[in-house]
Amino acid sequence: GAGVSQTPSNKVTEKGKYVELRCDPISGHTALYWYRQSLGQGPEFLIYFQGTGAADDSGLPNDRFFAVRPEGSVSTLKIQRTERGDSAVYLCASSLTHANTGELFFGEGSRLTVL
Amino acid sequence: DQQVKQNSPSLSVQEGRISILNCDYTNSMFDYFLWYKKYPAEGPTFLISISSIKDKNEDGRFTVFLNKSAKHLSLHIVPSQPGDSAVYFCAAKGDHTGGFKTIFGAGTRLFVKA
Repeated sequence: GAGVSQTPSNKVTEKGKYVELRCDPISGHTALYWYRQSLGQGPEFLIYFQGTGAADDSGLPNDRFFAVRPEGSVSTLKIQRTERGDSAVYLCASSLTHANTGELFFGEGSRLTVL
Repeated sequence: DQQVKQNSPSLSVQEGRISILNCDYTNSMFDYFLWYKKYPAEGPTFLISISSIKDKNEDGRFTVFLNKSAKHLSLHIVPSQPGDSAVYFCAAKGDHTGGFKTIFGAGTRLFVKA
């Protein structure tokens, strides 16, 4: 597709359940990022992939969060044993290059609600 | 530790007038700054950027000013239009954050009244 695609757009789950969020970046973009946006806040960095490898996962809040990008294109963010505090919009972005001047192209986000 | 701060949660401006959105940062190692615009239920979209070697960048109705000594940047929109009503995020990058990690402010919601 022309832009970054994220699925599902909305996910409601119960506390303790496992969740997967998917991101399909713009074709040809080697850099992929996951951000989390809580109400009233700006996007908060979670993890960055250059190709298949996670170049920086320093933003993942704890070991319940994990992300993969096995073929260097689609990425999946996985959250185990979800907690109410995980409720947020999870944004995926891609860019052509990881260089300093590279702007991010965001998807519409996946809104996660943990009851 | 909020490295990029947008202290005004909202701003209301009359159509045709100038909108000025402000942003402060704490780390002098940031060397590239961006503004993103976000409509409801959409992801942020890139608007305009500026390198730390410049103090001004203009693109149509949008101008970004950078004052490195004050660690302050601002986005000017003139003339403001109702379609500009959105949340505006200030963001910054630098080698100290790995060069690729963009740090965002909390955003300012702009209302342009017709």
